[in-house]
Amino acid sequence: GAVVSQHPSWVICKSGTSVKIECRSLDFQATTMFWYRQFPKQSLMLMATSNEGSKATYEQGVEKDKFLINHASLTLSTLTVTSAHPEDSSFYICSARVSSRTAGELFFGEGSRLTVL
Amino acid sequence: EDKVVQSPLSLVVHEGDTVTLNCSYEVTNFRSLLWYKQEKKAPTFLFMLTSSGIEKKSGRLSSILDKKELFSILNITATQTGDSAIYLCAASKNKLVFGAGTILRVKS
Repeated sequence: GAVVSQHPSWVICKSGTSVKIECRSLDFQATTMFWYRQFPKQSLMLMATSNEGSKATYEQGVEKDKFLINHASLTLSTLTVTSAHPEDSSFYICSARVSSRTAGELFFGEGSRLTVL
Repeated sequence: EDKVVQSPLSLVVHEGDTVTLNCSYEVTNFRSLLWYKQEKKAPTFLFMLTSSGIEKKSGRLSSILDKKELFSILNITATQTGDSAIYLCAASKNKLVFGAGTILRVKS
């Protein structure tokens, strides 16, 4: 199946710093990537839809100035958590859609665990 | 508001048992229903169901969709300890709407 790589897999940072997470589709082009957040023992919560070459579409309640998404190429999307605080600590997962024609199958990155001290 | 509801929330069975996981959905512009298995990290794809009544099978796992009653089931036969995971279903439109998941634990 298609491979999606996410980096870093885990990061610890101090409160107030910014953290960038990268999501790459390694063997296919992804015009659309999705960013999710997952709290312990809970499901995936969609944060935003990242579209190559255009602004991301954020879900209700997600602060776009807090979670900056850039989709500069067909194989790379980045999520930057700005001025991170302990409540931003979470598991962040990206996914990419293989087919643009249909709902298609989503492939997920391995996730990035963020801990803000 | 779109919603996907999974049941049960958690389940403990013994090896060899058969389990059925349920997923109901109310989603506008519905396209398909997907099942994922999540162990330690990111979810891995199991099935995508688009048409009603057509069972999809992969080894001991099978799934079917009922678009009239708006639900899907995931069956796992002869369960093994390696089946222990969170099973997520998601309704697809232009994005995925996930259910809360079913935590399955298979005891040896």
